[in-house]
Amino acid sequence: EIVLTQSPATLSLSPGEGATLSCRASQSVYSYLAWYQQKPGQAPRLLLYDTSKRATGIPARFSGSGSGTEFALTISSLEPEDFAVYYCQQRRSWPLTFGGGTKVEIK
Amino acid sequence: QVQVVQSGAEVKKPGASVKVSCKATGYTLTIYYIHWVRQAPGQGLEWMGMINPSGGSTTYAQKFQGRVTITSDTSTSTVYMDLSSLRSEDTAVYYCARDRLPGGIDYYMDVWGKGTTVTVSS
Repeated sequence: EIVLTQSPATLSLSPGEGATLSCRASQSVYSYLAWYQQKPGQAPRLLLYDTSKRATGIPARFSGSGSGTEFALTISSLEPEDFAVYYCQQRRSWPLTFGGGTKVEIK
Repeated sequence: QVQVVQSGAEVKKPGASVKVSCKATGYTLTIYYIHWVRQAPGQGLEWMGMINPSGGSTTYAQKFQGRVTITSDTSTSTVYMDLSSLRSEDTAVYYCARDRLPGGIDYYMDVWGKGTTVTVSS
C-alpha cells in the first residue's frame, strides 16, 4: 500500500498570502496524484488531478507540481473560502490512498 | 444536474450490518464507476472500494475484504454498500463518489454525495 504523508499538518496564514502544501509518497506514483478540498460538514471537492490539471470550475490560483514521490499544491493568494482541509490521493496502485490532510487556517 | 444522492443516517449495534444507498441522478449510472470512501470523526479519508455499475465488477481495499459488498441496481440507478460485522471503529461518514471519467479509467472522484453517518453503538 502506498502511504501518502502530508505536511505541515496545519498552516496558519492570512487572506492574500500564498500557501504551499506538501504530499510525499512512500513509492513513486508517477504523476497520478490528485488534490481535494474539504470544508467542515461538507464532502471533499476535487481540485487537481494528474498532479497539475485543474478540475472543472477550479480557479487558476490553485496549481500543482511534482512527480514521483514529491508533490505540492500551491494557492497563490488565499481567498476567505480557501480555508479548509486539503487531501492528496494517489491512483498509481490499489488500494487508492489518501494523505492525512493539511488544515489551512486563518491566522 | 449531476448528483449522487445518499440514504439517511443509520444507528447500528455491534455485530450488525448496514446498507447505504447512492442514487445517480442527472446522468446514466452505467457510464461511470462509483467509489465508496469513509471518514471517521475528526479523521482523514479512507477508500473502501468501487464498482463498475455496468456489469457489476468490483474492487475492494484489502482491509475491508470479506466485510464489504458493493452492488448496483441499474433499474433504479442505485449503488449499494453493505458493511457487515460492524464494530465501534466503523462509526464514520460514508461517501459515495463518481469517478471523473466515463469508463472508469481515471480513479479520481469528482461528484460526491453528501455523506451518510453510520453510528455503531451498543
